Parts: sequence; structure tokens; C-alpha cells
Amino acid sequence: AQSVTQLDSQVPVFEEAPVELRCNYSSSVSVYLFWYVQYPNQGLQLLLKYLSGSTLVESINGFEAEFNKSQTSFHLRKPSVHISDTAEYFCAVSYNQGGKLIFGQGTELSVKP
Amino acid sequence: DVKVTQSSRYLVKRTGEKVFLECVQDMDHENMFWYRQDPGLGLRLIYFSYDVKMKEKGDIPEGYSVSREKKERFSLILESASTNQTSMYLCASSPPGQGSSEAFFGQGTRLTVV
Repeated sequence: AQSVTQLDSQVPVFEEAPVELRCNYSSSVSVYLFWYVQYPNQGLQLLLKYLSGSTLVESINGFEAEFNKSQTSFHLRKPSVHISDTAEYFCAVSYNQGGKLIFGQGTELSVKP
Repeated sequence: DVKVTQSSRYLVKRTGEKVFLECVQDMDHENMFWYRQDPGLGLRLIYFSYDVKMKEKGDIPEGYSVSREKKERFSLILESASTNQTSMYLCASSPPGQGSSEAFFGQGTRLTVV
């Protein structure tokens, strides 16, 4: 069965430290990859996505993720986090099935001063 | 601003009640989805629809049904609410395509069944 695994359920970090949130997916011929963020008491919003082309994709607020086909991974990184990055982050995969997304379990990022 | 609106942020219902969760999108999207979010489990797909009057089961459809009479509205129905359906419910919509389109989410409905 197709699946997405986020290896860390909670990641506590100090402000201005680097962070990596890990995501692995089950292999497929064709795949689209997404990271969504959920701030407290809100719905999900798209952070970044990989569709094709360059394997490194970036968001407007400093996050980046790298598509690694051989390792079936799409880890999210930020070199220096802010308090405002505190949120839950979801990795999601689309297996070319008309928009259906398969989500990972989520990673709670907690940034401390 | 694109919008997916869920009719209630918080609901408390009794066991056995029939519960309706409503979702409306203003982006003229063909695709609409209902997910359930539980701690440690992420989002799980309950039902989805690619067109009016069309529906397909997701991964956890048991105990739920849906209705899509108009393109902009997708309703989730709990036929007889049970305590194990206490959860956060998220509606989403996306344009037609083969999986590359961004999904837009509502703010969620936190349902408590007592």
C-alpha cells in the first residue's frame, strides 16, 4: 500500500537553530510531493511542492525541501527557525490519482526562545 | 482570496445523532475531499468527489456518507454518531488534474461526540 512516513512526531528546537523534518514515501513511478503547515487552530496551507525539474524547492519563508528519488525522501529544512515557525508540518504525496493526497502522521515543530 | 468554508468550527453531538458537516468552496473546483485528523495518525481520507453527484470512498469510509448536489458544496454525514468519531474534520478542494494541483483546506470542524 502507498504510504508516507514522518519519522519524528515532535521536534523541539531553539530559536535561530537549524531544523530538519524528515519524510519518506513508498516508491512509485510518478509522484508529486508536498509539505503543508498547520498553525494552531487553523486548517492546512501549502508550504512548498515538488512536481518536476530541480530537486530542491523553496518556500517564501525560508524553508526548503529536497526530492531524493533513490532514497524516496522529501525532507524539509530551514537553516534558522523563528518562534513563528511553531506549527505542525505534514508531508503529503500524490500518486497521480486525480488529486488524492496521502499524508504522513505530522511533525510538531516547537521553537523555543 | 480563495476560500474553503466549513460551516462550524466546533460541534458537540450525542451518540446516535445524525450529524451533517458542510463545506463550501468558491474556487469552482471539481475535486472536493473530506479528511479526518487525529493525533499521531495525520490526515486520513474519508470520501472524495470529482464532480457533482459523484462520490468515491477513501481509506476510512465506514460510518460516513457524503452528498454533492452542487459543485461548490460537499457535505459529510455521520449516519449515527459514535464516540470514536470524535475528531477534527477537514474539507479540501482542488482543481482537476492528475495529482499535481495544490489542495485548499478549510479551517476544520472539531467534533466531539458524547
